[in-house]
Amino acid sequence: AQKVTQAQTEISVVEKEDVTLDCVYETRDTTYYLFWYKQPPSGELVFLIRRNSFDEQNEISGRYSWNFQKSTSSFNFTITASQVVDSAVYFCALSDYMTTDSWGKLQFGAGTQVVVTP
Amino acid sequence: NAGVTQTPKFQVLKTGQSMTLQCAQDMNHNSMYWYRQDPGMGLRLIYYSASEGTTDKGEVPNGYNVSRLNKREFSLRLESAAPSQTSVYFCASSEDEVRDEQYFGPGTRLTVT
Repeated sequence: AQKVTQAQTEISVVEKEDVTLDCVYETRDTTYYLFWYKQPPSGELVFLIRRNSFDEQNEISGRYSWNFQKSTSSFNFTITASQVVDSAVYFCALSDYMTTDSWGKLQFGAGTQVVVTP
Repeated sequence: NAGVTQTPKFQVLKTGQSMTLQCAQDMNHNSMYWYRQDPGMGLRLIYYSASEGTTDKGEVPNGYNVSRLNKREFSLRLESAAPSQTSVYFCASSEDEVRDEQYFGPGTRLTVT
């Protein structure tokens, strides 16, 4: 079965510091997709990025960047120059074609709470 | 586009009462999902519908039923509510259940007393 591990339960930083969230995944499939979602205190879940297993090109979008490394099965997420509005729970997720159990196709990690203080 | 909408936003039930949570999406997505989120438990899949006309159990289906009414709408029914079903419920949709990202509704906060 697939698995997603977010070892960091909570990260606290002061505004303008960089924050890196770790995500390690396991899958037997060769074709799979990785996602990051953000859940701010208001509660809604917001999709941030998707990567497929054939695209290891890292991406930068504004203050966000993602580092996908198949060799270490990691898909890490960095917030540069954090702001108070970045305070949220961030979820890493994985989907593949081989999973057939009752978890459905998309497996979420437990989430990392990011707290940014002024 | 409204995206994914859910009703109601809040609900309080007494043990044994029934209710239906409604979900609709206007993105013409094939797949739809119901999750519950409890403190410290992350998101758990209750039921999903990979395409119109199909539904499958997720990780925690006991006590729930679903109906994929049409391509747009996917409802979740609690037949006899229990305090253990106190949770935040999220509906989501995606074009493909593996390849594509899921878009989530705003959630329904349900309390069963």
